[in-house]
Amino acid sequence: DAKTTQPPSMDCAEGRAANLPCNHSTISGNEYVYWYRQIHSQGPQYIIHGLKNNETNEMASLIITEDRKSSTLILPHATLRDTAVYYCIVRVEAGGSYIPTFGRGTSLIVHP
Amino acid sequence: DADVTQTPRNRITKTGKRIMLECSQTKGHDRMYWYRQDPGLGLRLIYYSFDVKDINKGEISDGYSVSRQAQAKFSLSLESAIPNQTALYFCATSDPTRTAQETQYFGPGTRLLVL
Repeated sequence: DAKTTQPPSMDCAEGRAANLPCNHSTISGNEYVYWYRQIHSQGPQYIIHGLKNNETNEMASLIITEDRKSSTLILPHATLRDTAVYYCIVRVEAGGSYIPTFGRGTSLIVHP
Repeated sequence: DADVTQTPRNRITKTGKRIMLECSQTKGHDRMYWYRQDPGLGLRLIYYSFDVKDINKGEISDGYSVSRQAQAKFSLSLESAIPNQTALYFCATSDPTRTAQETQYFGPGTRLLVL
């Protein structure tokens, strides 16, 4: 029962911006949105996270809607090496604790 | 050196055998997690541990057990392996802050095949 919804797949031309959406309409008020990516079958790698303000780092930008029910990860100039599965993660309450919960992610293919 | 290591990286076993997957971390984190990944699916939580004395079941704990031997070590055991436990297994660590920020760091994974 994933608490995030992402499109199963997307594609993007190399050098163009890749915009990956995520719906997290049930996110709790003080919980952060995290993004990870998994290249081939390697361990997932942290990309970025945010609470309510837009965030940017050397890898990507994160745009969070004002109502916090959705967000978009932006890879400004996608390269072939950005081909991966991208996961949008929120923590879900379970037994009094908050646990990071993965969905199926979005498989991004960057083509020449 | 990697901060989160998993051994073995690949394992083939037979139905009914007991096997153990090990995870070690040098990040000094209290929280550790075991996930399972099947082809085309995301990561599903098997067990998690918030400290050495705290172990909790995840959404798919049946058929698995864990041991937190120390802050740095978290082992996953399959008491009697079955073919549908063939999967890619990941260990992760985290050190959440008071403001609910919890970045996870993943190991390289263990690929398990149960014949």
